[in-house]
Amino acid sequence: DAGVIQSPRHEVTEMGQEVTLRCKPISGHNSLFWYRQTMMRGLELLIYFNNNVPIDDSGMPEDRFSAKMPNASFSTLKIQPSEPRDSAVYFCASSVLAGLYEQYFGPGTRLTVT
Amino acid sequence: TQLLEQSPQFLSIQEGENLTVYCNSSSVFSSLQWYRQEPGEGPVLLVTVVTGGEVKKLKRLTFQFGDARKDSSLHITAAQPGDTGLYLCAVDNYGQNFVFGPGTRLSVLP
Repeated sequence: DAGVIQSPRHEVTEMGQEVTLRCKPISGHNSLFWYRQTMMRGLELLIYFNNNVPIDDSGMPEDRFSAKMPNASFSTLKIQPSEPRDSAVYFCASSVLAGLYEQYFGPGTRLTVT
Repeated sequence: TQLLEQSPQFLSIQEGENLTVYCNSSSVFSSLQWYRQEPGEGPVLLVTVVTGGEVKKLKRLTFQFGDARKDSSLHITAAQPGDTGLYLCAVDNYGQNFVFGPGTRLSVLP
């Protein structure tokens, strides 16, 4: 298996622009997680899905952030409008089930908002 | 207030030395995981500990879950430069959310 696939790997955009991050989980995994990592705040869970349904979005910073999972093999995290404080590395991870099963992380998307 | 605390925050040692890093909380957890993250990559699972007092070994790494299931330690024997990375502990907060600690950044110098 190719593992969790994220695109793009790097994104540089100007403040106010819309940003869409993409994730393809490992086939057969039922849970998908979006995280944000910064030096100041560490690795933070933004939202997770079970069987394509959002279960916990309490980590989503504000209404500018939205996430969708239209099918078992694809998810997006959208920021509109983007702000400089959104600059971070965004990780997608998948697991067989949520809970303390192993999470397999993608390589991350490094987002820079200028 | 951080649900999980990790110490030390940074650690730089010479190859061959031993070290221990810690993950602490005031809450009780059903289980805990340790991950290692290398620069430019996502975290990778090292171990899951479930039972209070449990000790697991993975080559030169020894993991222990505290008796009260509030804390855990990771001991590395004879550290090597390949052990360099960010060590993260993580817990499933009884289904409420999934929380990672702030991490210990380890540098092993040759």
